[in-house]
Amino acid sequence: GENVEQHPSTLSVQEGDSAVIKCTYSDSASNYFPWYKQELGKRPQLIIDIRSNVGEKKDQRIAVTLNKTAKHFSLHITETQPEDSAVYFCAANSNAGGTSYGKLTFGQGTILTVHP
Amino acid sequence: DSGVTQTPKHLITATGQRVTLRCSPRSGDLSVYWYQQSLDQGLQFLIQYYNGEERAKGNILERFSAQQFPDLHSELNLSSLELGDSALYFCASSPSPVNTEAFFGQGTRLTVV
Repeated sequence: GENVEQHPSTLSVQEGDSAVIKCTYSDSASNYFPWYKQELGKRPQLIIDIRSNVGEKKDQRIAVTLNKTAKHFSLHITETQPEDSAVYFCAANSNAGGTSYGKLTFGQGTILTVHP
Repeated sequence: DSGVTQTPKHLITATGQRVTLRCSPRSGDLSVYWYQQSLDQGLQFLIQYYNGEERAKGNILERFSAQQFPDLHSELNLSSLELGDSALYFCASSPSPVNTEAFFGQGTRLTVV
């Protein structure tokens, strides 16, 4: 089945710096890669996603890149702000048949802390 | 508000007991996912339903079961509860099982004592 590895597990940056979180996946049938932000005690919320027919997507200070050949994708946050502090999860959605169809597998999460 | 409703928000029960967690998906969403999030852990995929049928299964324990009803709401049943089952259980829904955003509910915090 799908396995998603996420690094680093913790990331500490100064306000205004950039933050990069990387994920790798194992299932070549995965074709949808969302990123979620989870603040303490709250539900995960989608911040950006990318599909396998696209190599890069940007939304203001957030961008995601995808390398299908290497099976890895990354989240880039520029000009970080204290309110960006949260846990970030990457995920991969399998389009394989059988019992994996539609399975949305998450990475272990990255605790991002932005210091003022 | 994501539009996904989970009840109850909090649940405290004793070891060996059985509980049922309920999820109402967003209007129009046919796919429902269940996840377990333990302390310091990520989101562990349990099971997924699409329009009443089981579509994908993760490492769900045999003591756990789920179903999706004709009105598309879903229930996760946890039986013979152990201390280690204490966790935050999330339900998420999406219009389709693939390639679309999954919207999460607020979660049910289960504490087994």
